[in-house]
Amino acid sequence: EPEVTQTPSHQVTQMGQEVILRCVPISNHLYFYWYRQILGQKVEFLVSFYNNEISEKSEIFDDQFSVERPDGSNFTLKIRSTKLEDSAMYFCASTPNTEAFFGQGTRLTVV
Amino acid sequence: GENVEQHPSTLSVQEGDSAVIKCTYSDSASNYFPWYKQELGKGPQLIIDIRSNVGEKKDQRIAVTLNKTAKHFSLHITETQPEDSAVYFCAASRYTGFQKLVFGTGTRLLVSP
Repeated sequence: EPEVTQTPSHQVTQMGQEVILRCVPISNHLYFYWYRQILGQKVEFLVSFYNNEISEKSEIFDDQFSVERPDGSNFTLKIRSTKLEDSAMYFCASTPNTEAFFGQGTRLTVV
Repeated sequence: GENVEQHPSTLSVQEGDSAVIKCTYSDSASNYFPWYKQELGKGPQLIIDIRSNVGEKKDQRIAVTLNKTAKHFSLHITETQPEDSAVYFCAASRYTGFQKLVFGTGTRLLVSP
């Protein structure tokens, strides 16, 4: 069964460093998303992406964040200068229509 | 802004009992309501969903009901099994081609053998 894959599974970075989280959505899906989940809290929407541009972004998705689909398969989330409060699980998702398929997540720890 | 409330935060049942999780949403334009199961160390996995033109949907031991007037929807799991133990999230969205899911706070379900 096709699935969304994310790498790395765990990333530890120093505050102020840039990180890139990578995702390979399901191949025939058209809409791509990033969500995050701070430990013990709800899953929060960050950004949606369609046709090589951002469709919608949340208040969390400030200038430190960017997304890119550099080729036909990868979808990346970049955080330019990480802060302690960026520590969370980051989930990538893709949809063909309504049903969202989530990856297993990348745990980002900022120290 | 959009908000989804979910109750209870934890739910413990004996194997074979039923479990009910309830959610309310604030955005009256929401028209799609999925439920996700999240096991430890994994991403959310869709288990059932319902659209606003339907009041109830059932899939084997799982059912979801929607009351649009009251803006609440519920997940019902019958004949619970230990492997049902997980965190369950409800979500709501306005589907407009793409969707922005607004998640509830989650319910940790523990099914004891």
